[in-house]
Amino acid sequence: QSALTQPASVSGSPGQSITISCNGTSSDVGAYNYVSWYQQHPGKAPKVMIFEVSNRPSGVSNRFSGSKSGNTASLTISGLQAEDEADYYCSSYTGNSAPYVFGTGTKVTVL
Amino acid sequence: EVHLVESGGNLVQPGGSLRLSCAASGFMFNVYGMTWVRQAPGKGLEWVSYIDSGSTIIYYADSVRGRFTISRDNAKNSLYLQMNTLRGEDTAVYYCARVMGSFLTNIFDYWGQGALVTVSS
Repeated sequence: QSALTQPASVSGSPGQSITISCNGTSSDVGAYNYVSWYQQHPGKAPKVMIFEVSNRPSGVSNRFSGSKSGNTASLTISGLQAEDEADYYCSSYTGNSAPYVFGTGTKVTVL
Repeated sequence: EVHLVESGGNLVQPGGSLRLSCAASGFMFNVYGMTWVRQAPGKGLEWVSYIDSGSTIIYYADSVRGRFTISRDNAKNSLYLQMNTLRGEDTAVYYCARVMGSFLTNIFDYWGQGALVTVSS
């Protein structure tokens, strides 16, 4: 199972909106609405930000939103803040004997 | 409050074995699936293994299948990862995480702080 494809880096100025893409296949992202997004600050454990494509866990800012079109999922961060600078990973259920796959990761930089 | 604490990380020679533990507290451990995820130095996240609440559904990544064994002891609120025939590419921080809902959901809602495993001669 190959990793889902994400851009290596995305940047934006405070207050702007950015979107991170997560490209999968018709066997994973395209087949199931089980896409999650994780935020990871340096030296810290990941934190779930979005689950089931577009749902936010309690406590996660509504500046974070998720969507999916075909084999591509997306995470949008609106009103970018300095604290959003981190690595972001998508993840999808695959339906096979190795049921989970992560994306390659995207480093978000706040200019 | 949910807490997950990994232990057992160490330096081990190629071909060696190591057992990681994850102590859980603050929730009903025996009703949740659990998973291991690793991260090589400077690299991305890689899913490793999953076990359901009753140890009846177990999955492994292709990269570790046949070498790693996941298990749990619900009486001790503990999750384990037995790692055998270790290779240099297994060097990573290993995180245990709780799985919310069924294994389909792909929601890892609480994570431990990680345990570093270094495979080197």
